[in-house]
Amino acid sequence: AQTVTQSQPEMSVQEAETVTLSCTYDTSESDYYLFWYKQPPSRQMILVIRQEAYKQQNATENRFSVNFQKAAKSFSLKISDSQLGDAAMYFCALAVFGNEKLTFGTGTRLTIIP
Amino acid sequence: KAGVTQTPRYLIKTRGQQVTLSCSPISGHRSVSWYQQTPGQGLQFLFEYFSETQRNKGNFPGRFSGRQFSNSRSEMNVSTLELGDSALYLCASSLARQNYEQYFGPGTRLTVT
Repeated sequence: AQTVTQSQPEMSVQEAETVTLSCTYDTSESDYYLFWYKQPPSRQMILVIRQEAYKQQNATENRFSVNFQKAAKSFSLKISDSQLGDAAMYFCALAVFGNEKLTFGTGTRLTIIP
Repeated sequence: KAGVTQTPRYLIKTRGQQVTLSCSPISGHRSVSWYQQTPGQGLQFLFEYFSETQRNKGNFPGRFSGRQFSNSRSEMNVSTLELGDSALYLCASSLARQNYEQYFGPGTRLTVT
C-alpha cells in the first residue's frame, strides 16, 4: 500500500517571497510518479507539476519546482515569487506504475499575504 | 479544448435514495477515474474505467458503482444513500492508461439529508 504525508496543514507566505511545501511518501514499488495538485477555493483541481521516480533531475514548471529525494522518500514543492493567485490547497499525490489510482496527502492550505 | 465536465454540480438527496453523477472527459481522453473528497477522509479513490471496463476499484462498499460508455463518458451511482456519503465527487480523465496525468473536473457536491 502507498501512503502520502503532508505534515503542514497550513502555510503562509508574503507576496513575491518563496515558500516550500513538504511531502513524504511511502511505497515498496520502484516505479512510480509523484504530483503536486492545486485546488483553489471552490475551483477545480489543477495539476501543478509531475515527477517520474526514475528521473534524477528535479521537475520545474515556471515558478514551481520540486526537490525530489528518492532515498528519503521526500518530494517538496517550491513556489518562487509567490502571487495572490497561488492561494489554494496543495495536494501531494503518488501513482505507482501500472495503476491509475492516485494516493493523496491531506493537503496544505497556502495563504498569500499581500 | 473543453475540460472535464461534471453534472450536476450540486445535488441534495435524502437518506435511502439513490443518485447518479455524470462525467464527460476531455475529448480524446479514454481513462476516467472517480474520487470522493470529504473533510474527514480527504481524497479517496473510488474506481477507474477504461474502454468501458472497470480497471481498478478503491475500498468502498458495493453501493458505489459506475460505468463507462463507448464515448468515454462515465457515470457513477450511489444507492441507498447514507449521511456519510455527503462529499465532493471528483472525476478525472487521462489520455490513456499509464499516462499518469489526470485532469480533474469541478466536481459534484452531494449533500445527503
